Amino acid sequence: GDSVTQMEGPVTLSEEAFLTINCTYTATGYPSLFWYVQYPGEGLQLLLKATKADDKGSNKGFEATYRKETTSFHLEKGSVQVSDSAVYFCAIQTGANNLFFGTGTRLTVIP
Amino acid sequence: EAQVTQNPRYLITVTGKKLTVTCSQNMNHEYMSWYRQDPGLGLRQIYYSMNVEVTDKGDVPEGYKVSRKEKRNFPLILESPSPNQTSLYFCASSFALNTEAFFGQGTRLTVV
Repeated sequence: GDSVTQMEGPVTLSEEAFLTINCTYTATGYPSLFWYVQYPGEGLQLLLKATKADDKGSNKGFEATYRKETTSFHLEKGSVQVSDSAVYFCAIQTGANNLFFGTGTRLTVIP
Repeated sequence: EAQVTQNPRYLITVTGKKLTVTCSQNMNHEYMSWYRQDPGLGLRQIYYSMNVEVTDKGDVPEGYKVSRKEKRNFPLILESPSPNQTSLYFCASSFALNTEAFFGQGTRLTVV
């Protein structure tokens, strides 16, 4: 079945450090790929997405590239800020509006 | 303002006492879903609906019911809650496949 494997957390970084959160997936067909972010006490918000191979999604300095050959969609940011502290979820969608989520990675950025 | 509204935000109840968590969206979205979020497990889909009167099971439907009588509303019903249904629940809606899902703020349910 379809599944998402996401880097375990928590991750603690200093401000301005480089961030990578790994995400790989298993799916039949050609899923759409997403990163969602959950700030404390809130619901999830879409951070970025990619719908076909080699697409790069980007938003708020975050980027992720749809790598079909490695079935990966790693999230990166060159310089994190304290305000980026949140839980990040990788997700895939394979039709019928069924989003499969990873387990989430908690990021804490310290000044 | 475009939003998904869940109520209540917090609920403590006793085993076996029927409850309903409401979800409403004002974006005229076709698709709506319910998820539960548990530590170490991420979000798991309970039920989803592709249109009015069309619902289907997600990954963890046992112990839950839903209905979609109107496009904007998608209530989650627990007929006989049990402690293993203690969780954080999210409702979500989207316009179509592969489009952004909008999430409610969540309902934290405790069953004692």
